[in-house]
Formats: sequence, structure tokens, C-alpha cells
Amino acid sequence: NAGVMQNPRHLVRRRGQEARLRCSPMKGHSHVYWYRQLPEEGLKFMVYLQKENIIDESGMPKERFSAEFPKEGPSILRIQQVVRGDSAAYFCASSPRTGVYNEQFFGPGTRLTVL
Amino acid sequence: EDQVTQSPEALRLQEGESSSLNCSYTVSGLRGLFWYRQDPGKGPEFLFTLYSAGEEKEKERLKATLTKKESFLHITAPKPEDSATYLCAVCKNRDDKIIFGKGTRLHILP
Repeated sequence: NAGVMQNPRHLVRRRGQEARLRCSPMKGHSHVYWYRQLPEEGLKFMVYLQKENIIDESGMPKERFSAEFPKEGPSILRIQQVVRGDSAAYFCASSPRTGVYNEQFFGPGTRLTVL
Repeated sequence: EDQVTQSPEALRLQEGESSSLNCSYTVSGLRGLFWYRQDPGKGPEFLFTLYSAGEEKEKERLKATLTKKESFLHITAPKPEDSATYLCAVCKNRDDKIIFGKGTRLHILP
């Protein structure tokens, strides 16, 4: 029973390039969350998606960042025209359901370095 | 403003020396409080969910408790492999995102 999978694990981009981060949720989970972790900072919520729908993107910067979770395939977090401040660890989590229970299970993360 | 504060920021203990980590929270309507463990270079690993004041949960050397304003993670007779960052997080009613504290870095000396 595979856990949440993320790839790549490490990504290096130069300023101005695009970064694409992928997340495959646990089997049976249809809810995906993206978080960002800066050095010495806590995990910060970015966006919550269900299949083909963005439910809550209140934590995502308005410009350059976008996310999708298509009917088929992994969830994608896309960062256009990256800047040095985008360097961070990006974690994806998945959950089987909402309602009372909302345990979220995290992937290993993608560490983005912007040169 | 919704907030989760963890203390201490870092804690060094001798193997076998029991202690507690604190998580205080201010949120309007708590749906659940979560404890995670995070090892360097890895994603958070789920430990516990607590839903209501007075609730307690245990797993090996760890026990989590919850009051209306804070949660404690008690570590009994820790071992070096318990060294990690422990994260506390809350989920509000009618919301799905989790608000994390900055964590407590725990180091158990052999």
C-alpha cells in the first residue's frame, strides 16, 4: 500500500524558469493538499484540491503559482518564472475524506532550489 | 487570528529522561488537533488526532493529551531514535486546511 508519492525529490531551477511538482495521493484518497516549508518556518498551507476542482487556494500566491488535480494522473503544482524566494520544501498531503475526520498523510516532499 | 504555538523550540534529553512538549492553540472552533513527527529531509509522519478536551491517545513511548487551550505530547523513557521534530497542527470547523506550529526539535542523547 504505497503512501503519498512526490517527484522529483529535488529540483534545481534558474531564476525565470518554470518548476513543476507532482503528487500522487494514497490509493483511495481523493483530496490533495499542498504545503510549503521554508527553513526555520512551519508548514504553510497553499491549496486544497479534489479531482478537477480547486476547493481552497487561500494560501497560494496570486501570481506565478497554479495547481491542478486532473481526473486522471497526479496533482501538479506549477511555479512560473521562479525567484530565489521560491526555494523551499514543498509537501503534498492526501486525505480520504472530509467531514469529522481529516487526517492528512504527507509525501516525502520536493526540495526546490532556485539559483 | 488563528495560531498554533509550540514550546520549547528545542529540547535535549538524556536517554530515559521523560518530558513533555507543549502546543497551545487559539482557533475559532476546533475540529481536530494533530501531532506529526518529522525527520530531517522527510515529510511529516502522522502520529495522533485528538478531537475533544480530555481525550488521550498513546503510541509506544508517546502519549498525547488535549485541553480546551493546549495539547501535550508526553515522552516516557525516550530513546535516541525518538529524536525528531514534533509538529502540532489544528483543523478548524468548516475548514479543511491544517494550521501548523513551528515544531519542537527533540534530541535524545544516548
